[in-house]
Amino acid sequence: DAGITQSPRHKVTETGTPVTLRCHQTENHRYMYWYRQDPGHGLRLIHYSYGVKDTDKGEVSDGYSVSRSKTEDFLLTLESATSSQTSVYFCAISESSGGRQETQYFGPGTRLLVL
Amino acid sequence: SQKIEQNSEALNIQEGKTATLTCNYTNYSPAYLQWYRQDPGRGPVFLLLIRENEKEKRKERLKVTFDTTLKQSLFHITASQPADSATYLCALSSFSGGYNKLIFGAGTRLAVHP
Repeated sequence: DAGITQSPRHKVTETGTPVTLRCHQTENHRYMYWYRQDPGHGLRLIHYSYGVKDTDKGEVSDGYSVSRSKTEDFLLTLESATSSQTSVYFCAISESSGGRQETQYFGPGTRLLVL
Repeated sequence: SQKIEQNSEALNIQEGKTATLTCNYTNYSPAYLQWYRQDPGRGPVFLLLIRENEKEKRKERLKVTFDTTLKQSLFHITASQPADSATYLCALSSFSGGYNKLIFGAGTRLAVHP
């Protein structure tokens, strides 16, 4: 998994509680991404980061926030978890190549169940 | 609206045959297209990238074609093996906000039978 770890790997939580997922990389890649994967929808981008403290929203960012205080760590927070956020969450990284990031390398995923 | 379509039904083929998976898109003009493989319970793994000015790309038993007029990519696995059984995702580049992002299709599951 290209030097990417995600924690926790599995989590069960209750509606209304905050949840933080962590992505850690050892590749020193500039770009980091959070996706969610749901049946029939494929991977959808939640947020991404193009450097330390530089983040932006993806297509499904409502209810999520992110932070990146170090190159190696990208945190995804569900501010108040809802059942619709039950999903598998993947972190990905990519390096810059001529100013354009291309291939993405994915972590093993976090399976989140919100009851 | 922008849309990526991959066959939602599983593709079942016999070992040794060529598997062909399709990715169609509308309202995109991607600079490049990628194919990823995903095994159950794991993250996607990059396989091939093809650029808009390339018609075909090969890597070992894999071949990808990219037709920007038809807005279609075909992904071929020749001499398929049971170990090729997995879900295959196509992803298109989308440039916005100064950065390239990938837009993924929902994937097609391939099952190769001995």
